[in-house]
Amino acid sequence: AIRMTQSPSSLSASTGDRVTITCRASQGISSYLAWYQQKPGKAPKLLIYAASTLQSGVPSRFSGSGSGTDFTLTISCLQSEDFATYYCQQYYSYPVTFGGGTKVEIK
Amino acid sequence: QVQLQESGPGLVKPSETLSLTCAVSGYSISSGYYWGWIRQPPGKGLEWIGSIYHSGSTYYNPSLKSRVTISVDTSKNQFSLKLSSVTAADTAVYYCARPTPDGSGRIFDYWGQGTLVTVSS
Repeated sequence: AIRMTQSPSSLSASTGDRVTITCRASQGISSYLAWYQQKPGKAPKLLIYAASTLQSGVPSRFSGSGSGTDFTLTISCLQSEDFATYYCQQYYSYPVTFGGGTKVEIK
Repeated sequence: QVQLQESGPGLVKPSETLSLTCAVSGYSISSGYYWGWIRQPPGKGLEWIGSIYHSGSTYYNPSLKSRVTISVDTSKNQFSLKLSSVTAADTAVYYCARPTPDGSGRIFDYWGQGTLVTVSS
């Protein structure tokens, strides 16, 4: 199975900050990379797929980039509703696998 | 609006079989997609369990394959998960989900609310 490694595992930031989360795949996955946001007690919400395509309805302050093995999720101007845990997921091959998550907390 | 709802026992004894059902509304399972099950142990990350097509074709996570069975009932517009020989490590919130129409069948945009299953005697 392809291993997905996220960093950092947690970060503290303030509203208005620019935040970057990285995700590394154990082998090349082209652009078959998705990002999800999860809030406590809720199901994950799809933010980005194909590494950089914004899911319908997702604010433009979210962006994704990368291909191959290295990917990033950027939140350009952190809003209060963005404090959550973020997961990357590869869908290049079965089994689909997720990163360990990055918790974005209020500083 | 597509909606998914998991149901099943919230407590299962060790060595027994966990059984969950996902009822789908707002979309016919027979129309397509590989419908998936994903789980999340308390305080931990997400793990894909497996997916099923309306025809019954399945993909399973190799780490669970020997214990997992996913089935579909198109007449009831629902699909089900069975996980045998459970241990405390199978305690998790279990989600059912529908993938996006991008064709991969492997990223999920509609999720159920999740149901916590605890394995304990």
